[in-house]
Amino acid sequence: EVQLVESGGGLVQPGGSLRLSCSASGFTFISYSMTWVRQAPGKGLEWVSTINQDASQIYYVDSVKGRFTISRDNAKKSLYLQMNSLRAEDTAVYYCARGQMHTILPLEYWGQGTLVTVTS
Amino acid sequence: QAVLTQPASLSASPGASASLTCTLRSGINVDTYRIHWYQQKPGSPPQYLLTYKSDSDNQQGSGVPSRFSGSKDASANAGVLLISGLQSADEADYYCMTWHNNTCVFGGGTKLTVL
Repeated sequence: EVQLVESGGGLVQPGGSLRLSCSASGFTFISYSMTWVRQAPGKGLEWVSTINQDASQIYYVDSVKGRFTISRDNAKKSLYLQMNSLRAEDTAVYYCARGQMHTILPLEYWGQGTLVTVTS
Repeated sequence: QAVLTQPASLSASPGASASLTCTLRSGINVDTYRIHWYQQKPGSPPQYLLTYKSDSDNQQGSGVPSRFSGSKDASANAGVLLISGLQSADEADYYCMTWHNNTCVFGGGTKLTVL
């Protein structure tokens, strides 16, 4: 059974940092691209970042470029999102999601999400 | 103008069919894009439903009933999610998504009410 479990969310002040983690199980992690998607309270889904299988291709939404860094550790079957210079508008539930084998999309499986709240 | 536009809400009756549209921005041809559809119920993560590009290039998510199907309306430059035999359990938010210019783009979502 495919499982994705996010962690690392919490309350942080504007300008602060957080590192989200996503622990994967039930599939061959190294064979899949991984993606972070966020959802602000009461709002729609917003794609944040995608990393391919060997981290040779990385993509970000414009609003997080230069502030967020996606990475993965295939040996640990884990995905990460380092978030710096956090802003109030980064407040959201952050989901990690798995692509299909050899393709980024669709996002077939999703974790339950971790809440990030940026407030003073 | 957003890359993908969805109507904010749609209502339909149990047993009826619902057609949810996802319109691509002018200048972006729907024929060249795979449109992916997701369902999200309150308090839960999104669930993948299906992908549609053409009748020969499409796929159904694992365990997704055949009541959910995809198509395109070329005249409207839109992807379409068709849900037949509506059930109360289909009441949810539905999002379309695609890959455009090295970014993943979601539509704003349609809240489907079954009443």
